[in-house]
Amino acid sequence: GAGVSQSPSNKVTEKGKDVELRCDPISGHTALYWYRQSLGQGLEFLIYFQGNSAPDKSGLPSDRFSAERTGGSVSTLTIQRTQQEDSAVYLCASSLGSSVSLGNTIYFGEGSWLTVV
Amino acid sequence: QKEVEQDPGPLSVPEGAIVSLNCTYSNSAFQYFMWYRQYSRKGPELLMYTYSSGNKEDGRFTAQVDKSSKYISLFIRDSQPSDSATYLCAMSAKNLRYSTLTFGKGTMLLVSP
Repeated sequence: GAGVSQSPSNKVTEKGKDVELRCDPISGHTALYWYRQSLGQGLEFLIYFQGNSAPDKSGLPSDRFSAERTGGSVSTLTIQRTQQEDSAVYLCASSLGSSVSLGNTIYFGEGSWLTVV
Repeated sequence: QKEVEQDPGPLSVPEGAIVSLNCTYSNSAFQYFMWYRQYSRKGPELLMYTYSSGNKEDGRFTAQVDKSSKYISLFIRDSQPSDSATYLCAMSAKNLRYSTLTFGKGTMLLVSP
């Protein structure tokens, strides 16, 4: 597709349930990122994938959060035993390469809006 | 002290006004400075990109970086209702990854017709 695609757009789940959020990056982009945006908060980095390298999981807030990227393309973010504080927008982004540079723009998807009730 | 500080607003202005959006930061290693625009229920989109100090102009938008004061600004001339959005500043040290990008919390801008 032309842009980063995320699904579902909206998800309401009960506390304690598991959720899976999907991201389809821009074709050819080797770097993929997950961010979380809570109400009134800035973007919080969660996890980063670059090609076939081991992911950078340094931003994951707890062991309830995990992510995988299959075949260097589509990624799934899984939140187990959801809590109310997990309610947020989960944004996926991709870029051609991993370094911040003028020619290497990061593109965001529209996000998955998660509400835990 | 947060690494990046940004007034959340909302900032309300009439159509045609000049808008000034600002961020301050504490990390002197930051060299790449970006402004993202985020419409309601959409992902952020890159608006302006500046490396090091100085000004950069693109149409109605001007990005300004003052590294000595650790202060960056985004100016919008002849503001339009379509400019109503949340503006996020973001910054990074040289040669680092986007995974280390530090964002401000965003300023909500409302431009009334």
